[in-house]
Amino acid sequence: SAVISQKPSRDICQRGTSLTIQCQVDSQVTMMFWYRQQPGQSLTLIATANQGSEATYESGFVIDKFPISRPNLTFSTLTVSNMSPEDSSIYLCSAGQGGNIQYFGAGTRLSVL
Amino acid sequence: GEDVEQSLFLSVREGDSSVINCTYTDSSSTYLYWYKQEPGAGLQLLTYIFSNMDMKQDQRLTVLLNKKDKHLSLRIADTQTGDSAIYFCAVLMDTGRRALTFGSGTRLQVQP
Repeated sequence: SAVISQKPSRDICQRGTSLTIQCQVDSQVTMMFWYRQQPGQSLTLIATANQGSEATYESGFVIDKFPISRPNLTFSTLTVSNMSPEDSSIYLCSAGQGGNIQYFGAGTRLSVL
Repeated sequence: GEDVEQSLFLSVREGDSSVINCTYTDSSSTYLYWYKQEPGAGLQLLTYIFSNMDMKQDQRLTVLLNKKDKHLSLRIADTQTGDSAIYFCAVLMDTGRRALTFGSGTRLQVQP
């Protein structure tokens, strides 16, 4: 299994600002993913973070709003840019070897005022 | 695309068995998973089953897969109050995408 650490665990931000969320895995993994969980909802994939290339975004999510970095096989960041109250959600990082089994971090609980 | 559905709520008494159900639409689903989310926590992988299996048992957990009906279930034997959580069904399709599609989650409430 993989142990995934996310920072920060929660934050309260002002609208118009940006927040960068970090995801650290305790082993090298090929696949890393970023999901959003809106209040009382299920998980929606934002993007797949690819090492050595640009992230692959899902429909409805764009790089300008959610820039992602993947500098190596154990680390990724997601930035939520120019935040509005609609961005208030839990943001979860997941990782998996070979992509079949995915483990999740504890999530970042974001509130935008 | 893939659609995964679950009932929203299940209430059981402590000591009883719980059965949480999930249906999916894409027959190319290869792996199917059950995750548990406790309040204020991330997702914990409970168990998973490969699509060529009908059943998998792991201690108190039994997963049943009916590929013909595209139906997945999770049975928790001797349900405890610590099992109260939201349970998510997720599926992985046989594509290069490698991302999971999640159901809406079933909130399990265990009454003492």
